[in-house]
Amino acid sequence: DAKTTQPTSMDCAEGRAANLPCNHSTISGNEYVYWYRQIHSQGPQYIIHGLKNNETNEMASLIITEDRKSSTLILPHATLRDTAVYYCMTQGGSEKLVFGKGTKLTVNP
Amino acid sequence: GAVVSQHPSRVICKSGTSVKIECRSLDFQATTMFWYRQFPKQSLMLMATSNEGSKATYEQGVEKDKFLINHASLTLSTLTVTSAHPEDSSFYICSARAGQRPYEQYFGPGTRLTVT
Repeated sequence: DAKTTQPTSMDCAEGRAANLPCNHSTISGNEYVYWYRQIHSQGPQYIIHGLKNNETNEMASLIITEDRKSSTLILPHATLRDTAVYYCMTQGGSEKLVFGKGTKLTVNP
Repeated sequence: GAVVSQHPSRVICKSGTSVKIECRSLDFQATTMFWYRQFPKQSLMLMATSNEGSKATYEQGVEKDKFLINHASLTLSTLTVTSAHPEDSSFYICSARAGQRPYEQYFGPGTRLTVT
């Protein structure tokens, strides 16, 4: 079973920030938080990962709470092409990525 | 970024035949490759993990004699669906990992298999 909990779906207006939450209350000290997304009928795409500090790259920002039990992926200016299923996962060491059900984000014009 | 390719992107085959799907890491050497399956409106389900030169490790419930995996080199893994049946119709996705911490897995574009 997946070790994370995400809302089933979310909507966001184009141009606004999309904030996608994820709960991972059982995360262990050596596990990273990973975010991937899957646009319809394509392979998943890596977005960002972090351990305990907040991270930012050209795609998104990742905010991890101090207790590391939850995180939020932020797409600062969502576009229609950001419509996808977003997966939050935790992984440590050589573990394999296990996908949960993810959050279906719909960006509306 | 790292690129993983899959071939073919779509394949239609008749029931009882075998189909081979290739997965290649184009610009890096993959010590580990993974095969996933995804049914419509469902999440990805890990089928097996393969390390170059070793036998694949299959997830519980996945028939290793039906889904043959070969990871013959650091850039190529193949999945052969043997004696395919309509219930094997699915979206098959591979991913490759370079083996560095923190690990990042790069996914292929997927192969849509339809068994008639």
